[in-house]
Amino acid sequence: GAGVSQTPSNKVTEKGKYVELRCDPISGHTALYWYRQSLGQGPEFLIYFQGTGAADDSGLPNDRFFAVRPEGSVSTLKIQRTERGDSAVYLCASSPEGHNEQFFGPGTRLTVL
Amino acid sequence: AQSVTQLDSHVSVSEGTPVLLRCNYSSSYSPSLFWYVQHPNKGLQLLLKYTSAATLVKGINGFEAEFKKSETSFHLTKPSAHMSDAAEYFCVVSDRFSGGYNKLIFGAGTRLAVHP
Repeated sequence: GAGVSQTPSNKVTEKGKYVELRCDPISGHTALYWYRQSLGQGPEFLIYFQGTGAADDSGLPNDRFFAVRPEGSVSTLKIQRTERGDSAVYLCASSPEGHNEQFFGPGTRLTVL
Repeated sequence: AQSVTQLDSHVSVSEGTPVLLRCNYSSSYSPSLFWYVQHPNKGLQLLLKYTSAATLVKGINGFEAEFKKSETSFHLTKPSAHMSDAAEYFCVVSDRFSGGYNKLIFGAGTRLAVHP
């Protein structure tokens, strides 16, 4: 079956611009997570959705970052007024209800010039 | 707070020799522990997981890891390295599973190089 997909695979933008990153989880997975992986580091937790609601957004670095999952499936991570420090690979993961294993997508590489 | 320390940022082995990737964790709870592998331009793939069952955990591609509570370690091993094992490996800890919520905390990663 299809795994987690993320679009675009690469995004180059200019400082100050707005970007949206999309995640399509595995069908039927109720939990969805966003992580950010900076160069040479392990992924860091950003936000967790159970269904449509953000159950834990404690990892979002500041109020320029926002994520939605309006129908409990596809999620969009939104970054306003991008900064060069936002450059990283943004990873999405999903898991089925009652399981602790997370299935990761290939990521979106964001470059802010 | 939970944390993970991967003791080596780079490990280099010859094909056919054993692999040892070291990981120590810190947890206030009885932890769930994972090893993930990341090949270039590919997503993270779960190798194996420990969730308080057997302390010796077998994973995919011949990898295994042993949970040692007294040493707070969860080292990853493989008896014989293959060229295709070259990748970045992450040791991961999470809060004990409850209700499906599972925030993962990753180590900094160990890059494994395999030479012919």
